[in-house]
Amino acid sequence: DIAVTQSPDSLAVSLGERATIKCTTSHSVLSSANNKNYLAWYQQKAGRPPTLLFYWASTRESGVPDRFRASGSGTDFTLTISSLQAEDVAVYYCHQYYYLPPYTFGQGTKVEIK
Amino acid sequence: QVDLVESGGGVVHPGGSLRLSCLTSGFTFTNYGMHWVRQAPGKGPEWLAAIVHDGTSQDYADSVKGRFTLSRDDSKNAVYLQMDNLRVEDTAVYYCVRARDTGLDSYFSYWGQGTLVTVSS
Repeated sequence: DIAVTQSPDSLAVSLGERATIKCTTSHSVLSSANNKNYLAWYQQKAGRPPTLLFYWASTRESGVPDRFRASGSGTDFTLTISSLQAEDVAVYYCHQYYYLPPYTFGQGTKVEIK
Repeated sequence: QVDLVESGGGVVHPGGSLRLSCLTSGFTFTNYGMHWVRQAPGKGPEWLAAIVHDGTSQDYADSVKGRFTLSRDDSKNAVYLQMDNLRVEDTAVYYCVRARDTGLDSYFSYWGQGTLVTVSS
């Protein structure tokens, strides 16, 4: 099974400042068949289901503001919020969906306003 | 628009059973695999089970293998999760999720609102 680890568990950032979240997988999720990384990012606000932000590691889902950026390949990935807004307060999860189950999520990173 | 509506959650004693339903609309059901993901209070999501578009293959997390059974009814555009021998640690919100295409390896664009399962004596 592929384990997924996020860091930090939580972070507090001032409005307008940058927030950076790391995600590491225990095995590469880069497919040599199609050169795609099987890694997604989600945002979850209290009492709501997660919403997809990025898939294939860096493809932005429709409607996601461009202050959100995702990058990385292989086992190391990053989600960046370039200028934190109040509505970005949430828990963020990465998720690997590399070929066969089980598909695993990170433990989450809670983003708050400093 | 794509809509996924779960039902069937509730309170059950350890060792009991529940059957969750997920009714779907807004897309061609037979073109997509379907998944269930749960989230225990204060925890991250946990992938549980998936079924391919034509129902010929399912897979399960080790935590539920042998206790949970996933099925689909194309005539009703629905998927079902039969949960037997429930344990306290199965307490969670259960989400129905649509795959990106016919298979299993998928990010999750569409989630239901979830149904709460509480296992308690």
